[in-house]
Amino acid sequence: QSALTQPASVSGSPGQSITISCTGTTSDVGSYNLVSWYQQHPGKAPKLMIYEVSKRPSEVSNRFSGSKSGNTASLTISGLQAEDEADYYCCSYAGRSTDVFGTGTKVTVL
Amino acid sequence: EVQLVESGGGSVKPGGSLRLSCVASGITFSNAWMSWVRQAPGKGLEWVGRIKSKTVGGTADYAAPVKGRFTISRDDSRDTLFLQMNSLKTEDTAVYYCTTDPPGRPFDIWGQGTMVTVSS
Repeated sequence: QSALTQPASVSGSPGQSITISCTGTTSDVGSYNLVSWYQQHPGKAPKLMIYEVSKRPSEVSNRFSGSKSGNTASLTISGLQAEDEADYYCCSYAGRSTDVFGTGTKVTVL
Repeated sequence: EVQLVESGGGSVKPGGSLRLSCVASGITFSNAWMSWVRQAPGKGLEWVGRIKSKTVGGTADYAAPVKGRFTISRDDSRDTLFLQMNSLKTEDTAVYYCTTDPPGRPFDIWGQGTMVTVSS
């Protein structure tokens, strides 16, 4: 199972919106509405931000939203803030009780 | 508050074995699906495997790179998750995280991680 493909880096200015893509195949992202997203600050454990493509845990800001089209899922961060600077990973169910993560995207707030 | 605390990491030679533990608190552990996720130094996240609750069979599934070498088990009486790692390779060097893994909401809560180094 190959890792899902994400851009290595995305940047934006405070207040702007950015979108991170996550491209898989018909065996994972394209077949299941079970895509999740994780935020990881340096030296810290990851944090769940989005699950089931677009659902948000209650403690996560509504500036974070998720969507999916075909084999590509996306995470959008609106009103970018300095604290959003982190690594972001997507993850998809890949069938047969397995999961696959994305390659990761470093978000920089300019 | 849900808390997951891993232990058991350390240094081991290639071909060696290590057993990681993860103690859970703040959840009904016996009902919880649990997973291990690892992260090699400077690299991305990699799902290692999961174990379901005993109410749905308690079976475990594994990622291809560790299948046949790693075994996930649980002791519900001690609210503890285990990862037995055998035939370790240098590419198994990583921080290993224990996570809760409820269906539909994967890797919900994470521990702080424990470092495993495989080197000669």
